[in-house]
Amino acid sequence: GAVVSQHPSRVICKSGTSVKIECRSLDFQATTMFWYRQFPKKSLMLMATSNEGSKATYEQGVEKDKFLINHASLTLSTLTVTSAHPEDSSFYICSASLPKGQSYEQYFGPGTRLTVT
Amino acid sequence: KQEVTQIPAALSVPEGENLVLNCSFTDSAIYNLQWFRQDPGKGLTSLLLIQSSQREQTSGRLNASLDKSSGRSTLYIAASQPGDSATYLCAASFGNEKLTFGTGTRLTIIP
Repeated sequence: GAVVSQHPSRVICKSGTSVKIECRSLDFQATTMFWYRQFPKKSLMLMATSNEGSKATYEQGVEKDKFLINHASLTLSTLTVTSAHPEDSSFYICSASLPKGQSYEQYFGPGTRLTVT
Repeated sequence: KQEVTQIPAALSVPEGENLVLNCSFTDSAIYNLQWFRQDPGKGLTSLLLIQSSQREQTSGRLNASLDKSSGRSTLYIAASQPGDSATYLCAASFGNEKLTFGTGTRLTIIP
């Protein structure tokens, strides 16, 4: 149980185009999902918290108009990188939060490798 | 500022040895701590979750401990195998669902 999928796994796009990445919780409902990006040999950087039915909460320094997040259902959150540029090339990973005891446990998707040419 | 640190950044160990990975955090008001494994180019696999009321968790050859007073967590791997080679990340939650990640330890098990 607790499987999170991402689609696509890899995407190459031209500079100036927009790319949508999907994150799905396959066997559970997630009111909260998270979006991270990871640069080579670096740790994960939280970009935003995606809340079902409400606006996403962005971390400091992350442009909300650049990285559009939509969490339209309890099993799907999408991240759209708008007008992508080469510096947006990165590994994007989502996670979904599941209550466990008095805490939460996060389950991660397999990631999406974005390359902007 | 709440920070999570992992030292060393890389570790090589001969196959069969037991090993310990370290994680330290700056805020003792920790909600929970999670250990993950990441293979190159892949997502994260959750290994163990320790809630603030717990001191340790075990799963197979893995044992994770949590000491809030000293701001430390350790991941103990027994009888290491080449398949254990990966980057290990610890992440702490400080009062909400958000995770703060450490920088990771890249583990190599030498056959």
